[in-house]
Amino acid sequence: GENVEQHPSTLSVQEGDSAVIKCTYSDSASNYFPWYKQELGKGPQLIIDIRSNVGEKKDQRIAVTLNKTAKHFSLHITETQPEDSAVYFCAASDNDMRFGAGTRLTVKP
Amino acid sequence: EAGVTQFPSHSVIEKGQTVTLRCDPISGHDNLYWYRRVMGKEIKFLLHFVKESKQDESGMPNNRFLAERTGGTYSTLKVQPAELEDSGVYFCASSQARKGSIQYFGAGTRLSVL
Repeated sequence: GENVEQHPSTLSVQEGDSAVIKCTYSDSASNYFPWYKQELGKGPQLIIDIRSNVGEKKDQRIAVTLNKTAKHFSLHITETQPEDSAVYFCAASDNDMRFGAGTRLTVKP
Repeated sequence: EAGVTQFPSHSVIEKGQTVTLRCDPISGHDNLYWYRRVMGKEIKFLLHFVKESKQDESGMPNNRFLAERTGGTYSTLKVQPAELEDSGVYFCASSQARKGSIQYFGAGTRLSVL
């Protein structure tokens, strides 16, 4: 089955800096890669996703890149703000979704 | 439109007791998933319903866990008898389609087994 590794487990940046979270997956059949943000007391919320026929996708300050050959994908957040502080999860899916262990991002004002 | 709702938000029980978690998916979503996150680890898949049928229950830890989705609407996850290692946050998610479809998550139920 699919196995998703996520790094780092914690990340602390200064407001305005960029943050990068990286994930690798094992199943070459996976073709959908969402990223979820979980704030305190809430469930994970989708923030961006990418499909295997696309190498990069951007939505304002958030971008995701996918390297299918190497089986890794990354989340990039630019100009970070304190409200970006949360736990971020990557996932890989063919039929069922498998998640990484999460990255706790702290943006210091 | 209402999102995925879960009840209760938090449950504290003693080892050996029974707990039932409930999930109401987004209306019209045939696919319903249960996940669990133990502190600091991944959101781990438990099982998947398509309407009232269990499509995949490969992630269920053992036979102390029983999930149902009578009528293909809301779902319950019962743990009986609960053990200490069952503690964690149980998430429910729903989606319209299965393959490559966005899953919408509930806020989760935090289960503490003492």
